[in-house]
Amino acid sequence: DAKTTQPPSMDCAEGRAANLPCNHSTISGNEYVYWYRQIHSQGPQYIIHGLKNNETNEMASLIITEDRKSSTLILPHATLRDTAVYYCIVRVQYGNKLVFGAGTILRVKS
Amino acid sequence: EPEVTQTPSHQVTQMGQEVILRCVPISNHLYFYWYRQILGQKVEFLVSFYNNEISEKSEIFDDQFSVERPDGSNFTLKIRSTKLEDSAMYFCASNRGAQETQYFGPGTRLLVL
Repeated sequence: DAKTTQPPSMDCAEGRAANLPCNHSTISGNEYVYWYRQIHSQGPQYIIHGLKNNETNEMASLIITEDRKSSTLILPHATLRDTAVYYCIVRVQYGNKLVFGAGTILRVKS
Repeated sequence: EPEVTQTPSHQVTQMGQEVILRCVPISNHLYFYWYRQILGQKVEFLVSFYNNEISEKSEIFDDQFSVERPDGSNFTLKIRSTKLEDSAMYFCASNRGAQETQYFGPGTRLLVL
């Protein structure tokens, strides 16, 4: 599985957009980018995933660069409840397991 | 919205005892997983299960561990003789197809004394 690199921590003001970057320079053509988050030792929560195109759902947007070597998760209006560890995971299309890194600790502050 | 559920939420046991952690995956899902997270560390894959057999397991998943789907709804993780280092959060996950999104349960916090 391709390795991902994320900043260890970020701060964001409540109500502002949170932009969480992820580098995955060794990603291959059939590997998806998945984002999960974990709030205070709860189970990882699925956020969004994508292959090539940008994706948006009710939780977030995912912007993937054209060369697919990096991506950004955008939480458009962060709230205090978005404080969590955010994991960027690259996953082969037909792979089973998820390989979690250390993630980014996002702190949303009022 | 369907959810993965896990019981118990907390389990305290003595070293050397057997524990069984239970999971009810989402009802139309076919692939099941166990992960664990030692306090302050990363979430680690343990095992995946499909069609009543293990499809992949990690180095952590040694002979002390076993998984079972005893009926149409439950998926269990058994640790035969617990060690202090088995203390961790254990997460169950499931998905409908191998390439589809995995959904996680809330976890069981296991403390081995």
